[in-house]
Amino acid sequence: ILNVEQSPQSLHVQEGDSTNFTCSFPSSNFYALHWYRWETAKSPEALFVMTLNGDEKKKGRISATLNTKEGYSYLYIKGSQPEDSATYLCASPRGSTLGRLYFGRGTQLTVWP
Amino acid sequence: DSGVTQTPKHLITATGQRVTLRCSPRSGDLSVYWYQQSLDQGLQFLIQYYNGEERAKGNILERFSAQQFPDLHSELNLSSLELGDSALYFCASSLSAGGDEQYFGPGTRLTVT
Repeated sequence: ILNVEQSPQSLHVQEGDSTNFTCSFPSSNFYALHWYRWETAKSPEALFVMTLNGDEKKKGRISATLNTKEGYSYLYIKGSQPEDSATYLCASPRGSTLGRLYFGRGTQLTVWP
Repeated sequence: DSGVTQTPKHLITATGQRVTLRCSPRSGDLSVYWYQQSLDQGLQFLIQYYNGEERAKGNILERFSAQQFPDLHSELNLSSLELGDSALYFCASSLSAGGDEQYFGPGTRLTVT
């Protein structure tokens, strides 16, 4: 993996369903993995910054795991609600300049009531 | 509200012109980042300033320049504008030089006609 890639590109689920999506990133020279949530007509909002292999972070119904050796992170949403509808972005720095983030194209989640 | 402010919200200008976008970071944040979001691209890192100094550079065109002032606000100058420069320009800020959460402003929508 040379770039940050996310899958699937879009996801439609029913209210109450749990869902997850993937972020793949270059595993060599790993420093950090960021997750952001971007609602339509708003700006990206930070969810998590993860740095340690095996790390798991949680915020309400949203959690994320990190595998730096194989270069992937999963974002899970338990019991999806319509207000969870957004594009979820992951980003990682390339090299040791930690502020220079390279973003994936995002997973667009739509939760139907 | 992230605490990051950007002006103007919208800007419409003609090809060949020059514009200045302004960003005020969250109180206490020392880093300012500029990103470009165009229709066919994801969120692209342009440049980072930390405490007045350029810290990291991305794929920023030579026609674009930025600076961070002593009061930590930042300006992004775009000159000799082309149709392809039409995009949403975000500013973000963070406390440290990199690795922590970035807080995004509401963005400036630039339309070049």
